[in-house]
Amino acid sequence: QKEVEQNSGPLSVPEGAIASLNCTYSDRGSQSFFWYRQYSGKSPELIMSIYSNGDKEDGRFTAQLNKASQYVSLLIRDSQPSDSATYLCAVNPGKTSYDKVIFGPGTSLSVIP
Amino acid sequence: DVKVTQSSRYLVKRTGEKVFLECVQDMDHENMFWYRQDPGLGLRLIYFSYDVKMKEKGDIPEGYSVSREKKERFSLILESASTNQTSMYLCASSSRNNYGYTFGSGTRLTVV
Repeated sequence: QKEVEQNSGPLSVPEGAIASLNCTYSDRGSQSFFWYRQYSGKSPELIMSIYSNGDKEDGRFTAQLNKASQYVSLLIRDSQPSDSATYLCAVNPGKTSYDKVIFGPGTSLSVIP
Repeated sequence: DVKVTQSSRYLVKRTGEKVFLECVQDMDHENMFWYRQDPGLGLRLIYFSYDVKMKEKGDIPEGYSVSREKKERFSLILESASTNQTSMYLCASSSRNNYGYTFGSGTRLTVV
């Protein structure tokens, strides 16, 4: 059974701090990794994708991938109250765009003003 | 602004009714997906399609069917709605070359 695991949280950080969200996956052959943000009552929104080992930065967001450890993380710098949401880690275990993506259960983040 | 549009935001249907959920995307994406999201169960894949008239079962296809007659439209059909199909239904699309999903705004279906 292919799995994606995340700490459910809630993770609370003060405004301006770095929020660190972690995700592990079971399928060593996985190729593509994604982070989605989901506000309460809304649909998920893609915020980061990463395909190779290392760091990928986009504004205040940094995704980190370590395929050897089967670990992907999302760092949010200078956290803002508007970052309060559930963050879903998603892994495409295959080589095609329509392979069944596996979503983690999500980590709830609360940024305290 | 690219979009995935779901026809209804909220829907209330009676047990036994046939229910149609419509999804339209304007991004010329090849792949389209239907998920349901329930508290504690996360996102679960119902059906997906990687081309017109093609459909594949996801993890929980029982009680559902789909139709994709045009590239931009992917419909989810609940053949005979039951109360355990009360859920948030999310449509998503992706291109063949970019694996990230764009989600629609969702349809919250209540079956009474």
